[in-house]
Amino acid sequence: DQQVKQNSPSLSVQEGRISILNCDYTNSMFDYFLWYKKYPAEGPTFLISISSIKDKNEDGRFTVFLNKSAKHLSLHIVPSQPGDSAVYFCAATWGSARQLTFGSGTQLTVLP
Amino acid sequence: DTAVSQTPKYLVTQMGNDKSIKCEQNLGHDTMYWYKQDSKKFLKIMFSYNNKELIINETVPNRFSPKSPDKAHLNLHINSLELGDSAVYFCASSFTRKNALYEQYFGPGTRLTVT
Repeated sequence: DQQVKQNSPSLSVQEGRISILNCDYTNSMFDYFLWYKKYPAEGPTFLISISSIKDKNEDGRFTVFLNKSAKHLSLHIVPSQPGDSAVYFCAATWGSARQLTFGSGTQLTVLP
Repeated sequence: DTAVSQTPKYLVTQMGNDKSIKCEQNLGHDTMYWYKQDSKKFLKIMFSYNNKELIINETVPNRFSPKSPDKAHLNLHINSLELGDSAVYFCASSFTRKNALYEQYFGPGTRLTVT
């Protein structure tokens, strides 16, 4: 039972345009959401996060939007750069242990 | 100045053997984790551990056991290795105290191949 879902396994975007990566979740207990970027043969790298009490968080070119009623979050990258090409994982957490539940990832390819 | 390090990076071994993967973090975090990334690229939590509490994912076989000599280290011991244990194992760490940010920082991964 996947509690965090990324339904698009891949996404291709032209350099300079906006990349939008989507994530859905089913567990209402989740209260903190994170996006990670992963290059081949490396560990996931934290990108940006959002608490469930907010609906938007911005950090440079990266913005995460949270729609609690729809149990949906998205990551916007503007403008997209070739170096952004990687697998992006959505993750969610709750409770004292703060274990992360990950989505299956979306491979983003930014074309020059 | 690696924040979370794992050794070895690659591990090839035969079925039935016992092996360990080491993890160290120098971030002063109070909680450490082990994740498994399977052949389908899913990242799944195996354990979380701080000096007070060990939480085990119920799907993890008891052949897997975490050992923490101190707050900065969490090693993963695997007994009687099976073919299905082949995967990439990631160590991570974070703060979990109240009102802290919950970002976890990951090591580079250990690719385990069981033959």
